[in-house]
Amino acid sequence: AQRVTQPEKLLSVFKGAPVELKCNYSYSGSPELFWYVQYSRQRLQLLLRHISRESIKGFTADLNKGETSFHLKKPFAQEEDSAMYYCALSGRTGNQFYFGTGTSLTVIP
Amino acid sequence: NAGVTQTPKFRILKIGQSMTLQCTQDMNHNYMYWYRQDPGMGLKLIYYSVGAGITDKGEVPNGYNVSRSTTEDFPLRLELAAPSQTSVYFCASSYSSKGAGNTIYFGEGSWLTVV
Repeated sequence: AQRVTQPEKLLSVFKGAPVELKCNYSYSGSPELFWYVQYSRQRLQLLLRHISRESIKGFTADLNKGETSFHLKKPFAQEEDSAMYYCALSGRTGNQFYFGTGTSLTVIP
Repeated sequence: NAGVTQTPKFRILKIGQSMTLQCTQDMNHNYMYWYRQDPGMGLKLIYYSVGAGITDKGEVPNGYNVSRSTTEDFPLRLELAAPSQTSVYFCASSYSSKGAGNTIYFGEGSWLTVV
């Protein structure tokens, strides 16, 4: 069963414009949600997690349990934000992480 | 710390050949994972381990085997390679699967082509 859905494979925005990368999940219970990022020629790394409720590099993400969403937002996109972004879910029980298919973000100068 | 190191980076295999992807981590993490990523698809979990001597199947374990004899190492074995196993393989580790310790650290990936 698809647990994490990222509907956009590609997303382009202009520098300075707001950006929102969508993530929806399906999971019974209380999952933990994450955003991972892969910059060009770098390995996948954690960007942020919902339980920390923090802003990293200007990005925030709010867990909406009613809509089962965990969209990633940034009010003003920068060129260095161009990367591949993966939404991920970890269940409260079990030892598995589930990843979405990823969204490739391009910030146009 | 080197983090998670996996080798080889690139490999071409013939159908029916076998090979082992090596993975080692120097962070003393309990949990280790092997993922594969096919073009346009998300990462799919092949196998994982919660500690030395313990392994378990993920979503797509068929055609693979793993072992975890030490905390540091988690090799992935492909027996009788098939074209369907052409993919990018990622090894990863985390301290735990829950709470503050469940940040996953990834290796750089291994590109495998089966012809």
